[in-house]
Amino acid sequence: DARVTQTPRHKVTEMGQEVTMRCQPILGHNTVFWYRQTMMQGLELLAYFRNRAPLDDSGMPKDRFSAEMPDATLATLKIQPSEPRDSAVYFCASGSGQISYEQYFGPGTRLTVT
Amino acid sequence: QKEVEQDPGPLSVPEGAIVSLNCTYSNSAFQYFMWYRQYSRKGPELLMYTYSSGNKEDGRFTAQVDKSSKYISLFIRDSQPSDSATYLCAIRTGTYKYIFGTGTRLKVLA
Repeated sequence: DARVTQTPRHKVTEMGQEVTMRCQPILGHNTVFWYRQTMMQGLELLAYFRNRAPLDDSGMPKDRFSAEMPDATLATLKIQPSEPRDSAVYFCASGSGQISYEQYFGPGTRLTVT
Repeated sequence: QKEVEQDPGPLSVPEGAIVSLNCTYSNSAFQYFMWYRQYSRKGPELLMYTYSSGNKEDGRFTAQVDKSSKYISLFIRDSQPSDSATYLCAIRTGTYKYIFGTGTRLKVLA
């Protein structure tokens, strides 16, 4: 049963600390997306990659957020330094790239910054 | 104006009712429309996908796009308690780029 996995599932941290979230896309998928979900803003696209190359990260606050794909099986989203307004659920999704609307979402990382 | 607007609900209906969920969008150039279902504490899962105008049916679910009104709808027939979830509309705005509505919470009462 192929699925996107994300770690950690929950993270509570203090303001100013570094946070790293990890995502393992479905094996063989070459498109990876990072989203943030809040009650107020809904689901917002932060960044996406194709074949490990970042195609668009215009949704990310550049001064504190960074996203990378060190290899085809791992995507990371890092926040440094974290702020209370970063509290949200962060989702990773992957797609094969062959079907333009296809995205399979992971279970999310629930981040709370105090 | 937001690119996609969706009534947040919550919407409560009795089991067996027909449910209508809706979104409006601002850009008439959008062509690809999707509906996702999200259960509590889970990631969204794709439910329906339509291209351009018209209807698409899959079991109890029908997705409808009215491009002249810039309005998309999801109908659920014979709703079940297991349909209780948040429903998100989504629109593809560019290659691999999507915008989502804020979601409508639906509760189907047994």
